[in-house]
Amino acid sequence: DARVTQTPRHKVTEMGQEVTMRCQPILGHNTVFWYRQTMMQGLELLAYFRNRAPLDDSGMPKDRFSAEMPDATLATLKIQPSEPRDSAVYFCASGYGKNTEAFFGQGTRLTVV
Amino acid sequence: TQLLEQSPQFLSIQEGENLTVYCNSSSVFSSLQWYRQEPGEGPVLLVTVVTGGEVKKLKRLTFQFGDARKDSSLHITAAQPGDTGLYLCAGGDFRAGNNRKLIWGLGTSLAVNP
Repeated sequence: DARVTQTPRHKVTEMGQEVTMRCQPILGHNTVFWYRQTMMQGLELLAYFRNRAPLDDSGMPKDRFSAEMPDATLATLKIQPSEPRDSAVYFCASGYGKNTEAFFGQGTRLTVV
Repeated sequence: TQLLEQSPQFLSIQEGENLTVYCNSSSVFSSLQWYRQEPGEGPVLLVTVVTGGEVKKLKRLTFQFGDARKDSSLHITAAQPGDTGLYLCAGGDFRAGNNRKLIWGLGTSLAVNP
């Protein structure tokens, strides 16, 4: 049963600390998305990659957020330094080819205190 | 800016009732997708519609894409508690070159009571 795997599932950290979230896309998928979900804003696209190259990260605060794909099986999203307003559920999703259907992981629930 | 508005925002019904939720925009989309999200999980794709006027059925769920490809509806017949969840619509606009970003609505939160 192919699925997107995200770690950790939950993270509580203090303001100012670095947070790293990891994602393993479905094998064979060449597009990876990072989303943030809050009650007020819904799903917001932070960044997406195709064939490991960043195509769009316009939704991501550049001063503190960074996204990378070190290889085809790993995508990372880092926040440094974290702030309370970053508290949200962060989802990774993957897809393939020209099809934008997204297969989501279970998310990382981040709480910054 | 493209926006997708979903209505109603919240819906609570009894098991066995029928319901329709809506996804509307002033923009044209190349395709539209419906997802269902359960608490603590990521959204799961239900259907993709790509042709104006298209109707797709998935068991008790009927999805329709508007003729002008600006809106969509999801109708559930004889709702069951297992249908409870957040229903999200997402529109794709592939006219801008290599842009593959989806535009998301805020969702309709459905509760089906036994």
